[in-house]
Amino acid sequence: SAVISQKPSRDICQRGTSLTIQCQVDSQVTMMFWYRQQPGQSLTLIATANQGSEATYESGFVIDKFPISRPNLTFSTLTVSNMSPEDSSIYLCSVEVARHQETQYFGPGTRLLVL
Amino acid sequence: GEDVEQSLFLSVREGDSSVINCTYTDSSSTYLYWYKQEPGAGLQLLTYIFSNMDMKQDQRLTVLLNKKDKHLSLRIADTQTGDSAIYFCAEKTGRRALTFGSGTRLQVQP
Repeated sequence: SAVISQKPSRDICQRGTSLTIQCQVDSQVTMMFWYRQQPGQSLTLIATANQGSEATYESGFVIDKFPISRPNLTFSTLTVSNMSPEDSSIYLCSVEVARHQETQYFGPGTRLLVL
Repeated sequence: GEDVEQSLFLSVREGDSSVINCTYTDSSSTYLYWYKQEPGAGLQLLTYIFSNMDMKQDQRLTVLLNKKDKHLSLRIADTQTGDSAIYFCAEKTGRRALTFGSGTRLQVQP
């Protein structure tokens, strides 16, 4: 398996501000993803974080709103920009581990509340 | 397109078996997964099955896959109160990200 940490674990933010969420993995991974879970809902893929190049975004998500970086194989950041209350969600990092690419593990999530 | 469906709620008595069902639409799915989410917690990978298998057993958990009908189920034997949680099925397709179902809330009555 993989140990995935996310920072911060939770935050309360004001409308119009931005928050950067960090994801760190303790082992080599092949793929990293960012998901959103809105209150009482399932998980929706935001984007695939690509090492050294621009992330691949899903329909409905754009780089200006959710810039993503992945400077190396084990670290990625997701920024939620110009936040509004509709951005209140749990944001989860997910990884596919090298040599066990059939499995996909999730971080503990970052719980964001926007006032 | 991709769509994964689950029933929203299941209630069982402690000691009984629970069966959570899921249907998916993408025939190119390579792996199918079951995750557990307890209140205020992240997602725990419970088990997964390769699309060319029809059954997988892991202790109290049994996964059945009917690829023809695109139907996946998770059976939990001897359900305990600690099994109360939301259970998500998910499929992995060519792009390697997961598409999740809506989640089934399992309530275990003592």
